Amino acid sequence: RKEVEQDPGPFNVPEGATVAFNCTYSNSASQSFFWYRQDCRKEPKLLMSVYSSGNEDGRFTAQLNRASQYISLLIRDSKLSDSATYLCVVNSGRRALTFGSGTRLQVQP
Amino acid sequence: DAGVIQSPRHEVTEMGQEVTLRCKPISGHNSLFWYRQTMMRGLELLIYFNNNVPIDDSGMPEDRFSAKMPNASFSTLKIQPSEPRDSAVYFCASRGPGSTDTQYFGPGTRLTVL
Repeated sequence: RKEVEQDPGPFNVPEGATVAFNCTYSNSASQSFFWYRQDCRKEPKLLMSVYSSGNEDGRFTAQLNRASQYISLLIRDSKLSDSATYLCVVNSGRRALTFGSGTRLQVQP
Repeated sequence: DAGVIQSPRHEVTEMGQEVTLRCKPISGHNSLFWYRQTMMRGLELLIYFNNNVPIDDSGMPEDRFSAKMPNASFSTLKIQPSEPRDSAVYFCASRGPGSTDTQYFGPGTRLTVL
């Protein structure tokens, strides 16, 4: 079983839609959680950290459920510029960061 | 401010040749990471350094791969001899001291081994 699992997608949604991505992790001792964004042929960039209490940054909301070992990312009012691959990232304390394989989002006009 | 700098951006070489990838981390950062990304395997950690010392190299695929960090502002990843299956995008990332885990990635080196 992979340490971090994501639905690869692609998710094809119209502009203005709300879309949610889920991620599960296998190591219950994991301490920190993040969402990174990667545009085509570019490097990954931090989108937001994920806190136990949940956190919001504009149109983006991240949530963590430690009991279920589950992380989510919600994007409201999708824009064309949100089209990218979203990487779920976990720091289990053993080997730096572990990246999921990513979920591809395509927002269509 | 300059981000993480990698060179070359693209490298095309023939099987059996030596390849050297270079990375300059963000000034003041004390951790440096080398990753490899392929369609099949996603983003994999190869090795990381803390204060120029290798901490975990368990991701290095085999003895053909070696990495060095002679000082705080420079690191190399070498493949000798290279093979077609080494074709991938190689990213370097750095992280500053403190409690944050945020890593900042360089633009990557796209390696093609023919």
